[in-house]
Amino acid sequence: GAVVSQHPSWVICKSGTSVKIECRSLDFQATTMFWYRQFPKQSLMLMATSNEGSKATYEQGVEKDKFLINHASLTLSTLTVTSAHPEDSSFYICSAREGRSYNEQFFGPGTRLTVL
Amino acid sequence: AQKITQTQPGMFVQEKEAVTLDCTYDTSDPSYGLFWYKQPSSGEMIFLIYQGSYDQQNATEGRYSLNFQKARKSANLVISASQLGDSAMYFCAMRPLLGGATNKLIFGTGTLLAVQP
Repeated sequence: GAVVSQHPSWVICKSGTSVKIECRSLDFQATTMFWYRQFPKQSLMLMATSNEGSKATYEQGVEKDKFLINHASLTLSTLTVTSAHPEDSSFYICSAREGRSYNEQFFGPGTRLTVL
Repeated sequence: AQKITQTQPGMFVQEKEAVTLDCTYDTSDPSYGLFWYKQPSSGEMIFLIYQGSYDQQNATEGRYSLNFQKARKSANLVISASQLGDSAMYFCAMRPLLGGATNKLIFGTGTLLAVQP
């Protein structure tokens, strides 16, 4: 299957700083990318959906000014957690899909964010 | 609105035995896809099996099979001959197949499977 990478795999930062997480599709063009958040022992919750070249669509309750998503190319999307606080500590997973809606969705390995 | 329900928060199974993980869903979409993913402790989401709502036969992939009962809106995962490496979190997910490229994949709450030697 296709490969999606995330960088970094883990990050620790101080409260108040901003953190950028990259998601790359390595061997296909990701027309749509998704960002999920997962708290320990919980399910994946969709944060936002982004299409290349357009603004992301955020799920209800997700602050778009806090979680900045940029999908500038068909192989790269970034999630920036601005002014991170301890409650933002979580496992962030990106997913990418090529083309039409019934295509398989491929997941990155996730990024574990810890805010101290 | 779509909803996925996994009623088993955790399960034990003996090595080499079969186990069924339950999943029921609710949707008003006429065409949809059902997915099962495995998430080991490393966190990566591993795709296991897919069933389309109009598929006539139940999907199978090696030791994984999907018991799809459309009228009951259930899509249970059956793992045959359990192995120690099957110990992980298992998520059922659904996505409508019509309506455009941004159709969202919605996950259930997951079932933690522990395989005992």
